[in-house]
Amino acid sequence: DAKTTQPPSMDCAEGRAANLPCNHSTISGNEYVYWYRQIHSQGPQYIIHGLKNNETNEMASLIITEDRKSSTLILPHATLRDTAVYYCIVEKSSGDKLTFGTGTRLAVRP
Amino acid sequence: DAGITQSPRHKVTETGTPVTLRCHQTENHRYMYWYRQDPGHGLRLIHYSYGVKDTDKGEVSDGYSVSRSKTEDFLLTLESATSSQTSVYFCATKRDYLNTGELFFGEGSRLTVL
Repeated sequence: DAKTTQPPSMDCAEGRAANLPCNHSTISGNEYVYWYRQIHSQGPQYIIHGLKNNETNEMASLIITEDRKSSTLILPHATLRDTAVYYCIVEKSSGDKLTFGTGTRLAVRP
Repeated sequence: DAGITQSPRHKVTETGTPVTLRCHQTENHRYMYWYRQDPGHGLRLIHYSYGVKDTDKGEVSDGYSVSRSKTEDFLLTLESATSSQTSVYFCATKRDYLNTGELFFGEGSRLTVL
C-alpha cells in the first residue's frame, strides 16, 4: 500500500482557510485518497475522499494534483472546533483496511 | 452515525487476566474493525470482520482474538493481558464493500493493564 507524508503540525487563524498537504508519491491507479480527523480523544471522523477529481462536500474540499502524487485538504473557513489531528490515507478502492499514520495536528488560533 | 457503542469505556486490569471489549452497532453494517491507538503510532488495525464468522488479522493482531457471531456485535479478547496492551481501543464499522472507505468509529475504550 502507498505511504503518505504529512507535516506533523500546522496552525491557522480562525476564519481563514486551512490547507493541509499530503504527499503520496507511490499511489497506484486504483487507490483512493481519504481524509479523516480526530478531535481530542474522540473516534476519528470521515471527512472526504477522492480518486483523481477534486471533491467538495459540506465539510471540506479535496484537491488532488494531476499526477495524483499529492493532495490538499481545504477547510474553507476554519473554526476553533476544527482543531484536531487530520489523517491522510491512501488505500485501495474497497478501503477494507484503512491504515492511519500519525497525521497533522491542526491548531486553529482565535 | 452508525450507532456504535463500545463497552466498557474504561477498564483497569492486572497483567495475566483475560479482557473482552465489546462493540455493538445498530445499523447492520457488514464490516467491523478493531484499532488500537498509542502515542506516536496513530491508529493501528488489530482485526477486522467482513461478515458473521468471517474475520481476518490486521497489522498488530498478536495477543488478540476476535469473534463475530452476530452482525451487530464484534468482540475483542485479550486472553492474557500484558502491560504493552495498555491502549485506547476503537471499534469502527463500514456499510458494505461498495461503500468506499467511509468508516464510522465508536468513542473508544481505554484499557490500562497494571
